[in-house]
Amino acid sequence: GESVGLHLPTLSVQEGDNSIINCAYSNSASDYFIWYKQESGKGPQFIIDIRSNMDKRQGQRVTVLLNKTVKHLSLQIAATQPGDSAVYFCAENIPGAGSYQLTFGKGTKLSVIP
Amino acid sequence: ETGVTQSPTHLIKTRGQQVTLRCSSQSGHNTVSWYQQALGQGPQFIFQYYREEENGRGNFPPRFSGLQFPNYSSELNVNALELDDSALYLCASSPVWDQYEQYFGPGTRLTVT
Repeated sequence: GESVGLHLPTLSVQEGDNSIINCAYSNSASDYFIWYKQESGKGPQFIIDIRSNMDKRQGQRVTVLLNKTVKHLSLQIAATQPGDSAVYFCAENIPGAGSYQLTFGKGTKLSVIP
Repeated sequence: ETGVTQSPTHLIKTRGQQVTLRCSSQSGHNTVSWYQQALGQGPQFIFQYYREEENGRGNFPPRFSGLQFPNYSSELNVNALELDDSALYLCASSPVWDQYEQYFGPGTRLTVT
């Protein structure tokens, strides 16, 4: 049968353009969200996080937008560079059970065209 | 400041064997979480340790177990290895001041043959 997990959504962007990576999260009770960048053969690298009481947060060249009405999260990368090429994961924390456990999305592969 | 470190980097085991993976948390971090990442998928939560006790567990069988030590380092043990256990095992640590934030190590690539 088909292995859905291997078919990552892919976004190709020209170097210097802005990138927007989208994520639909699963639980309306989620109180914390985080974006990770994962390069081949490496562990996920923290990019930016946002709590559910906010709708926008900015970092260096990155912005995260949270729309709780439609359970949607986006990561905007300004002036995309070749070094930004990687798989990007969004993750959510669903409160309960007393622990902080992240539930990850399927990931989006970003390819930057020089 | 040293980040999260994991050992070994790669490991090959035979079905039915047991394996121990190790993680050293980042300085100032007291919570450790373990995740399993199959090829082409996002990480899946295995369990979390806080103050040397398991503090939350994902949908993994009891043959996955762990420990946390007084210096906040941690071990993941997997008994009776199965072929489907082949994956990248990731450790993440969280700072005392914000347990929501999780910072990952480079992972241990486990191959079960």
